[in-house]
Amino acid sequence: EAGVTQFPSHSVIEKGQTVTLRCDPISGHDNLYWYRRVMGKEIKFLLHFVKESKQDESGMPNNRFLAERTGGTYSTLKVQPAELEDSGVYFCASSQHRKGVTEAFFGQGTRLTVV
Amino acid sequence: TQLLEQSPQFLSIQEGENLTVYCNSSSVFSSLQWYRQEPGEGPVLLVTVVTGGEVKKLKRLTFQFGDARKDSSLHITAAQPGDTGLYLCAGAWGNTPLVFGKGTRLSVIA
Repeated sequence: EAGVTQFPSHSVIEKGQTVTLRCDPISGHDNLYWYRRVMGKEIKFLLHFVKESKQDESGMPNNRFLAERTGGTYSTLKVQPAELEDSGVYFCASSQHRKGVTEAFFGQGTRLTVV
Repeated sequence: TQLLEQSPQFLSIQEGENLTVYCNSSSVFSSLQWYRQEPGEGPVLLVTVVTGGEVKKLKRLTFQFGDARKDSSLHITAAQPGDTGLYLCAGAWGNTPLVFGKGTRLSVIA
């Protein structure tokens, strides 16, 4: 069974440009999460989809970030326009919840560098 | 304010030694996960604990969830160079998204 895959693995863009990250979850997983780790900090939650619906987007930093999951399969996270502080590693994770338990499987991450 | 505190932040030991890393919180979690992350990779789930006082073993790794479900520990027996990596704990309440600690970076020297 294929795991969670993310594309690209690395991206270097200039401040003000747009970047789109993609995540393909494990097949059949209804829940898809985006997380981010900035240097020196812990991994922080950004957004949670259940199928195609946004369940929780309380972690999204601001309106420069837009996440979509059309059709409830893969998801994209667009940053427009990118700022220096957006640099970090963006992780996608998916899960099928057991009752009362969140158990997520992560992709390898996309390392975003904004210069 | 960080919800999950992991200690130590860094640990360097010789092959064959034992070690324990800790994950502490003032909050109660309904489940807690331990992940291991290697450079360039995403976190890989090692174990999930859900019951206060629960102990789970994975080969040389022993995981314990505190009785009050606020803390957890990971004990590695006879560490090997292959155990090197970043160990992360993450907690959740019900089906809420995971809250992560900063991690313990372990280096096992041959």
